[in-house]
Amino acid sequence: EPEVTQTPSHQVTQMGQEVILRCVPISNHLYFYWYRQILGQKVEFLVSFYNNEISEKSEIFDDQFSVERPDGSNFTLKIRSTKLEDSAMYFCASSEDSTEAFFGQGTRLTVV
Amino acid sequence: GQQLNQSPQSMFIQEGEDVSMNCTSSSIFNTWLWYKQDPGEGPVLLIALYKAGELTSNGRLTAQFGITRKDSFLNISASIPSDVGIYFCAGQGLIGNEKLTFGTGTRLTIIP
Repeated sequence: EPEVTQTPSHQVTQMGQEVILRCVPISNHLYFYWYRQILGQKVEFLVSFYNNEISEKSEIFDDQFSVERPDGSNFTLKIRSTKLEDSAMYFCASSEDSTEAFFGQGTRLTVV
Repeated sequence: GQQLNQSPQSMFIQEGEDVSMNCTSSSIFNTWLWYKQDPGEGPVLLIALYKAGELTSNGRLTAQFGITRKDSFLNISASIPSDVGIYFCAGQGLIGNEKLTFGTGTRLTIIP
């Protein structure tokens, strides 16, 4: 069964460093998303991406965040200068028609 | 912003019991989705609801989209140990605004 895959599963980084989280969405999907979940809390929307551009972003997604679809298969989230409060699980999701979103296993980001 | 409140926050039940949880919103949604999350994993889509009043089943799971479009419930019949996890409702707004707003979650624990 097709699935969204994310790498790495766990990333530890020092405060102020840049990180890139990688995702391979389901191959025929057209809508791509990043969500995050701080430990013990609910899942929060970060950004949606369609037709090679951001279609919506939340207030969390400030100018330290960026997304890119560098080729036909990968979808990345970059955090330019990480802060302690960026520590969370980051989930990539994709959708064929913008309704049912399928999530990856997540990347646990720990900023120290 | 939009908020989804789930109740109960946690449930402790015995194997074989039926489970009912619900989700209420301060605003209208066009689509309701129910996800299950196991520890350290991404949310897994269980059921999607698209029309007010719709009742949909997926095996032992049944979910309904409330008539007011501001609520939804999920029932699990004859619970089994693998039902343990956190259940999240998620609402999707108007067409063209495909982000998901997640609920606060219901943690289900099965007592042996």
